This record gives sequence, structure tokens and C-alpha cells, in this order.
Amino acid sequence: EAEVAQSPRYKITEKSQAVAFWCDPISGHATLYWYRQILGQGPELLVQFQDESVVDDSQLPKDRFSAERLKGVDSTLKIQPAELGDSAMYLCASGGRAKSSYNEQFFGPGTRLTVL
Amino acid sequence: AQSVTQLDSHVSVSEGTPVLLRCNYSSSYSPSLFWYVQHPNKGLQLLLKYTSAATLVKGINGFEAEFKKSETSFHLTKPSAHMSDAAEYFCVVILGRTSYGKLTFGQGTILTVHP
Repeated sequence: EAEVAQSPRYKITEKSQAVAFWCDPISGHATLYWYRQILGQGPELLVQFQDESVVDDSQLPKDRFSAERLKGVDSTLKIQPAELGDSAMYLCASGGRAKSSYNEQFFGPGTRLTVL
Repeated sequence: AQSVTQLDSHVSVSEGTPVLLRCNYSSSYSPSLFWYVQHPNKGLQLLLKYTSAATLVKGINGFEAEFKKSETSFHLTKPSAHMSDAAEYFCVVILGRTSYGKLTFGQGTILTVHP
């Protein structure tokens, strides 16, 4: 069964350092999402891609976060510099073409980031 | 204003007894509503979805939910809890037709099942 892959699964870093997370969506999925889940809360969308284009990045802290999906397949989320408040689970999800209707999103296992 | 509110942060039941996880929503449009489950160290999994068809929606693992527009609720139920149901559950809404499928999650309800 096809799954969304994420790496690393765990990352510990010191504040002010740079970190990067990688996501490989299910083959053929046009949409890719990055969510942040702070402990005790539900996931919050950071950025949504349709193929290689950003559809929604309204909640992405653009002074320190960046995301790319250059060839419309896998994606990288970067934080530079990391801050203590960035400690969270970062989830990637993928789905079919999303226009005005819902299509199911399939989630990866996540990357748990701890900033010391 | 919260778009989706899960009324209980923790629910504890005994194995074999019914499960009720409560969710209320607010949306200007006819919403699309979902329940997701998250087991420890695993990804989120879709349990069921409501997208303006039948108001009683059946999902996986014996769960079901009823959309009640008059009460703006979408509570999740299961007649008999199993130990494997212990997990965190999220009520999720798509707020508008032009949201490109953007999911808005509730705060989550942790379900504990006692032997």
C-alpha cells in the first residue's frame, strides 16, 4: 500500500540552527500539504502545493520558514533559524487535485522536532 | 472564533461500553466534516467524512457520526469500545467551497479505553 514518506522521523537541534524536513508523497498525488502540530493541539496548515505551485501559505512564518516542491513531486520544508517555539510535529500529507471539492489527504508519520 | 470545537479533551471508557466524542462546528457554508484518528507514533487516518449526502455517516472500525445542522454538531460514536480504539481523535472541517480542500482541525480528544 502506497504511503507518504517523511524523514527524518526525529530531529533535535539547538536554537538559531537550520533544519530541513523532507516529504515524498504518494505517487501521482498533485497536492501536498505541510502541517505543524504543537503538543496538545490539532494540526495547523502551513503550506499547500498544487503540483509545484503554492496554493496557500498564509500561515507560513515566511521570515524563517520556506517550502519548495521544485519538480512537483517531493518537497522540503526548512526552518532557519530555529526557535524554541518551533518544537512540534511536522506532518506532510498528499492528495489528488483539490479545486473546490475535498479529496482525501493521506498523512505521513511526521517529523518530531525538538529545539533546545 | 473557533471553527470546530471538540467539547472534551479527554474521554475514558471501559472496553465494551459505548463511545461518544463530541464536536460542534461553525461555518457560513454547508460544511464538509471529517473525523481523523491518530495513534501514537503513527500518521493521521481518516475515519469518516460527511460531504452533504446522508446525514448518518459510517466509517471504519465500527465508528459512525451524525450530522445535525440544527445543532451544528457532528458527534462520533461507537457502540462498543475496543482496546485498540485508544488514540487521539480530531474533528475536522473544510470551511468554504474555495478553500481548496484546506482542513481546519479541532483541538483533539484523547480516548482512553480501560479493560
